[in-house]
Amino acid sequence: AQSVTQPDIHITVSEGASLELRCNYSYGATPYLFWYVQSPGQGLQLLLKYFSGDTLVQGIKGFEAEFKRSQSSFNLRKPSVHWSDAAEYFCAVGAFDTGNQFYFGTGTSLTVIP
Amino acid sequence: DAGITQSPRHKVTETGTPVTLRCHQTENHRYMYWYRQDPGHGLRLIHYSYGVKDTDKGEVSDGYSVSRSKTEDFLLTLESATSSQTSVYFCAISESTEPETQYFGPGTRLLVL
Repeated sequence: AQSVTQPDIHITVSEGASLELRCNYSYGATPYLFWYVQSPGQGLQLLLKYFSGDTLVQGIKGFEAEFKRSQSSFNLRKPSVHWSDAAEYFCAVGAFDTGNQFYFGTGTSLTVIP
Repeated sequence: DAGITQSPRHKVTETGTPVTLRCHQTENHRYMYWYRQDPGHGLRLIHYSYGVKDTDKGEVSDGYSVSRSKTEDFLLTLESATSSQTSVYFCAISESTEPETQYFGPGTRLLVL
C-alpha cells in the first residue's frame, strides 16, 4: 500500500541556518513526489515536484529536494532559512494508476527563531 | 494561483444535520478531490471525481457523499454530521490522468457541535 512518512513532527531552526525535512515513501511503482507548504489558515502551495529525470529538483522560495530511490526518500532542503519559512510542510506521493490519488504525510511544523 | 474557491469558508453546525460544502473551479480541470485535514493525520482523501457524474471513494469516505453535475462544481455532503467530522476540508483539482500536480483551494473550517 502507498504511504508517506514524515518522521519529524516539529522542527525548530534559527534564521539563516540550513534546513532538511525528511520524507520516506512506500509505493510499488514509479513514485511521483511532491512537497507542499501550508501557512497558518491557508491552503497548500506546491513547492516542488519530482516526476523523472534529474534526482535533484529545484522549487520555489529557494527550496530543493533530492530523490533517492535506494533509500525511498525525498528530503526537502534549504541552505538558509528565513523567518517567513515558518509553516507546515507536507510530502506527498501520487498514485497515478488509481485516479491520480495523492497520499500525504502527516506534516512537519517548522518554527524559525530570530 | 489556480482558480479554486470553496464555500462556505467557515461553518458551525449541530450533530445530525446535513451539511453541503461547495468547491468551484474556473480552470476546466477534469479531476476534483475532497480532502479532510486533521492534526496527526495530514490530508486524507474523502472522494474524488474524474468527470461529470463520475466519482469514486477515497480513504475516508464513510458518512460523506459527493456530486458533480458540472465540470466546475464538486459538492461534498455530510449526510448527518457528527462531531468526528469536525475538520478542515480542502478541495483540489488536477488536469489529467497523467502525472499531474494537484492545486488546492483555501479550505473550509467545519465545527460540528
